[in-house]
Amino acid sequence: GAGVSQTPSNKVTEKGKYVELRCDPISGHTALYWYRQSLGQGPEFLIYFQGTGAADDSGLPNDRFFAVRPEGSVSTLKIQRTERGDSAVYLCASSFAGEGPGELFFGEGSRLTVL
Amino acid sequence: GNSVTQMEGPVTLSEEAFLTINCTYTATGYPSLFWYVQYPGEGLQLLLKATKADDKGSNKGFEATYRKETTSFHLEKGSVQVSDSAVYFCANGGFKTIFGAGTRLFVKA
Repeated sequence: GAGVSQTPSNKVTEKGKYVELRCDPISGHTALYWYRQSLGQGPEFLIYFQGTGAADDSGLPNDRFFAVRPEGSVSTLKIQRTERGDSAVYLCASSFAGEGPGELFFGEGSRLTVL
Repeated sequence: GNSVTQMEGPVTLSEEAFLTINCTYTATGYPSLFWYVQYPGEGLQLLLKATKADDKGSNKGFEATYRKETTSFHLEKGSVQVSDSAVYFCANGGFKTIFGAGTRLFVKA
């Protein structure tokens, strides 16, 4: 498909475990974003990549959260020592860059449940 | 920093009623403003946008005007349909796009 793809769509894990969430952006989009959405809330910014580098990671809540995009395409959000409060839907979005603020194209999200 | 405040929901309307969802923003500079929509079971998608003051964004019968003097970007539709039932998010643009909390709209037949 031509849209943003996120896997897994659902992940249930136990407190203290390590989790990886994957995002495959739209081909040709150089900008990639991770957001977190809790129930009844709007998406909360986590991190933004321009190419391979993290241009802004100010939204990552603590050092248990880390994200990479080694080849400037697929990105992985990594969460260590998960806590129950990490339960949320993790959204990935991509966009063209270099044209000013523009439309974000979202995936359907990865729902993380920490028991 | 940039922020967005939008009216709380849920909003329940009958079909063909007029819709307004209020949104105000704070910003350094003059950001683009957006409305995104999330239909049941689907991902977030752009509904409309405006890139500068006095611009009007429109799509699918929805409109919003970028008002610098009142720092607002209210969403309006003259006649809602059942298929408009969704959650609507106002967003303050930039590479670090900031979203409001969302307003859930229910439209009854």
